[in-house]
Amino acid sequence: GNSVTQMEGPVTLSEEAFLTINCTYTATGYPSLFWYVQYPGEGLQLLLKATKADDKGSNKGFEATYRKETTSFHLEKGSVQVSDSAVYFCALAMDTGRRALTFGSGTRLQVQP
Amino acid sequence: NAGVMQNPRHLVRRRGQEARLRCSPMKGHSHVYWYRQLPEEGLKFMVYLQKENIIDESGMPKERFSAEFPKEGPSILRIQQVVRGDSAAYFCASSPMTCASGTDTQYFGPGTRLTVL
Repeated sequence: GNSVTQMEGPVTLSEEAFLTINCTYTATGYPSLFWYVQYPGEGLQLLLKATKADDKGSNKGFEATYRKETTSFHLEKGSVQVSDSAVYFCALAMDTGRRALTFGSGTRLQVQP
Repeated sequence: NAGVMQNPRHLVRRRGQEARLRCSPMKGHSHVYWYRQLPEEGLKFMVYLQKENIIDESGMPKERFSAEFPKEGPSILRIQQVVRGDSAAYFCASSPMTCASGTDTQYFGPGTRLTVL
């Protein structure tokens, strides 16, 4: 079956530090890949997505590149802010058959001033 | 354009009672997904519905849980005879009608946090 593996948290960084959250996947076929962010007490918000190999998704300074050869979709940001503190979920979905999202376990990011 | 709406936001039930969770998809969206998030865990798929049809319920427990998405009105996730292990956050997501291929983005509601006493 399909699965997503994320680095465990929490990840604690100082403001303006560089962020990387690793995500690898296993899938039969060619999935679309997503990063969602969840702020405390809220639902998930789509952060970025990529639908095919070598695509780069980007939003709000965050970036992730769909790497088919390493089955990875690592999330990066050059300079984090306190307001980026949240839980980040990597996910995949297939474009045929079961369209539900398969999520990783989430990585909590804490940014200190 | 209103987002996905869920109510109630918080629901407290005693063991053995029924829980009924509602989800109104975004305007123009005809696909609804339900996910469950246990404390400190990721979201797990439960069921995927289109109007008046259950497309995929492979993630839903066989007993006590049911879901519907009627022609009119919100989608409803019903949990009968709740137990403490049902305590979780339940999220609904919606997406627009898809073509034969391609993956539409799912937009999530704020969730219903169910507590079973």
